[in-house]
Amino acid sequence: DGGITQSPKYLFRKEGQNVTLSCEQNLNHDAMYWYRQDPGQGLRLIYYSQIVNDFQKGDIAEGYSVSREKKESFPLTVTSAQKNPTAFYLCASNPGAGNTIYFGEGSWLTVV
Amino acid sequence: AQSVTQLDSHVSVSEGTPVLLRCNYSSSYSPSLFWYVQHPNKGLQLLLKYTSAATLVKGINGFEAEFKKSETSFHLTKPSAHMSDAAEYFCVVSDPVGRGSTLGRLYFGRGTQLTVWP
Repeated sequence: DGGITQSPKYLFRKEGQNVTLSCEQNLNHDAMYWYRQDPGQGLRLIYYSQIVNDFQKGDIAEGYSVSREKKESFPLTVTSAQKNPTAFYLCASNPGAGNTIYFGEGSWLTVV
Repeated sequence: AQSVTQLDSHVSVSEGTPVLLRCNYSSSYSPSLFWYVQHPNKGLQLLLKYTSAATLVKGINGFEAEFKKSETSFHLTKPSAHMSDAAEYFCVVSDPVGRGSTLGRLYFGRGTQLTVWP
């Protein structure tokens, strides 16, 4: 079945460490997105990519980095510069502009 | 700029009674509008989508929404709530095709938590 796979589901990070969240899709979608979800705030866009080897900052990109070396993959690195990284992270994809966006199951990141 | 306002952060209904989740939007263009549902610790699932065809949109699980341009609203309704409907619901607006550089970027409301009592 086609879909979006995020891993790990749960991740604990010590302060000062970088961590990478994986996102893989087999839907052949061009566009991929990373969102952060905090209670009562809806979803906020971190980064998005419309095509391989290209990506743009969203609303809250500071402290995060991404790469898009393959169409299927859009990993998100949460760096030590992100001051409040504890959150639920959602990866999404769609075939292109105006189309429905499909979401992965999410990853919980907790700083300990 | 696009924006979405969900008028209620929490809605509680009894099983078998109607559901109304309210959403107002602001858009400089003719928008695409969506409702997504999220169950605890899960990703978001599309309920329905409006893209300038019929103003009354039918979705999955008995939900529907009506696009009212004059009121800039896109309220979600269901005639009879079921226990399995308890979840968080997001109203979403999208940049239309061909407008700006964000190409289909989504703007989310803050969500409405629906509780269904037996």
